Amino acid sequence: GAVVSQHPSRVICKSGTSVKIECRSLDFQATTMFWYRQFPKQSLMLMATSNEGSKATYEQGVEKDKFLINHASLTLSTLTVTSAHPEDSSFYICSASPTAPMDEQYFGPGTRLTVT
Amino acid sequence: DQQVKQNSPSLSVQEGRISILNCDYTNSMFDYFLWYKKYPAEGPTFLISISSIKDKNEDGRFTVFLNKSAKHLSLHIVPSQPGDSAVYFCAASAKGTYKYIFGTGTRLKVLA
Repeated sequence: GAVVSQHPSRVICKSGTSVKIECRSLDFQATTMFWYRQFPKQSLMLMATSNEGSKATYEQGVEKDKFLINHASLTLSTLTVTSAHPEDSSFYICSASPTAPMDEQYFGPGTRLTVT
Repeated sequence: DQQVKQNSPSLSVQEGRISILNCDYTNSMFDYFLWYKKYPAEGPTFLISISSIKDKNEDGRFTVFLNKSAKHLSLHIVPSQPGDSAVYFCAASAKGTYKYIFGTGTRLKVLA
């Protein structure tokens, strides 16, 4: 099956610093990648959608200048949390869609971010 | 506004019995529904999906039922196994979009 990886799996950073999370589709080309965040005992909330070679589309309430998304190739998307604060601590999950947008999304294993 | 709701945060079932997980939605534009299984600190794993043109889809021990008039879907797992213990999320998307709206999840515990 389609495999999506994320790196790092866990990261702890100090308040005010920036953190980059990578999402890679390992055995397929992803025209579209998605970034979600999940707070404890809550749903996965879509943050933004990125298409290779174009600007990401952010969901309402998500600060695009704080959560920088780059989809540089058909197998890699990155999410950079800039000037992180403790309230940014969360579980960040990416997913990738191999072909048409309506195909199932394949999820990465997630990245646990803790901002101290 | 929670468009996809899973009103039962948890469910316990004996091994070998049927597990029924429920999901309700409010947006009549949703026409594609999915169930994902998630273990702690891992990403969701796709289980089964159903299009609005169907009312049932079956894959091995997993069956999803869709009642469009009630805006309700359910996932049946039979027989339930201890390895099925996880959090189950339903998700929905509307025709012409690619955005999944997730429910809050139901934690299933299958007791041996």
